Amino acid sequence: SAVISQKPSRDICQRGTSLTIQCQVDSQVTMMFWYRQQPGQSLTLIATANQGSEATYESGFVIDKFPISRPNLTFSTLTVSNMSPEDSSIYLCSVRANTGELFFGEGSRLTVL
Amino acid sequence: AQSVAQPEDQVNVAEGNPLTVKCTYSVSGNPYLFWYVQYPNRGLQFLLKYITGDNLVKGSYGFEAEFNKSQTSFHLKKPSALVSDSALYFCAVRDDSSASKIIFGSGTRLSIRP
Repeated sequence: SAVISQKPSRDICQRGTSLTIQCQVDSQVTMMFWYRQQPGQSLTLIATANQGSEATYESGFVIDKFPISRPNLTFSTLTVSNMSPEDSSIYLCSVRANTGELFFGEGSRLTVL
Repeated sequence: AQSVAQPEDQVNVAEGNPLTVKCTYSVSGNPYLFWYVQYPNRGLQFLLKYITGDNLVKGSYGFEAEFNKSQTSFHLKKPSALVSDSALYFCAVRDDSSASKIIFGSGTRLSIRP
């Protein structure tokens, strides 16, 4: 199984600011995924981050709000831009194993005041 | 389009009793099915999966799940619950196309009383 590290683990931010979340994997992976888990909710896929190409965003998520970088096969960042209280969530990085299941980081818990 | 449903928001079981957490799914092709557990302030941990083969799948921490194609279900089970099993459980599904994304159910909170 992959070991996935996310930073920061939690943060409290002011409305209108931006925060970048980092995701580091201990092995090379083709696809990395960013999920959002709003309070008391399930996981919603934000985007798929592929190395060397633009991220693929799901319906309801746009690059201007959630820009993603994927500079190499072990690292990705997700930025939450111009934050509002509605962005308060857990943001989770994940990778898919060759056997099909996803492995997740511990998540980044974001509170926007 | 694929979807997954967990009809119970919460399941309460006494320690030592068997537990079942329900999951039904809908996919256009062959299903890949997964169960994950989330403990407080933690990320999701993979429990088990069904891709092909035996309908009864065994996973981590003594959990198992039964794939039922006719009922499109993949219920999570454990013969004897522990207090430490108390957590949030997510069922997830994707179809067998390589580009398919994994969709998560709404989650079921499992509470095991001593």
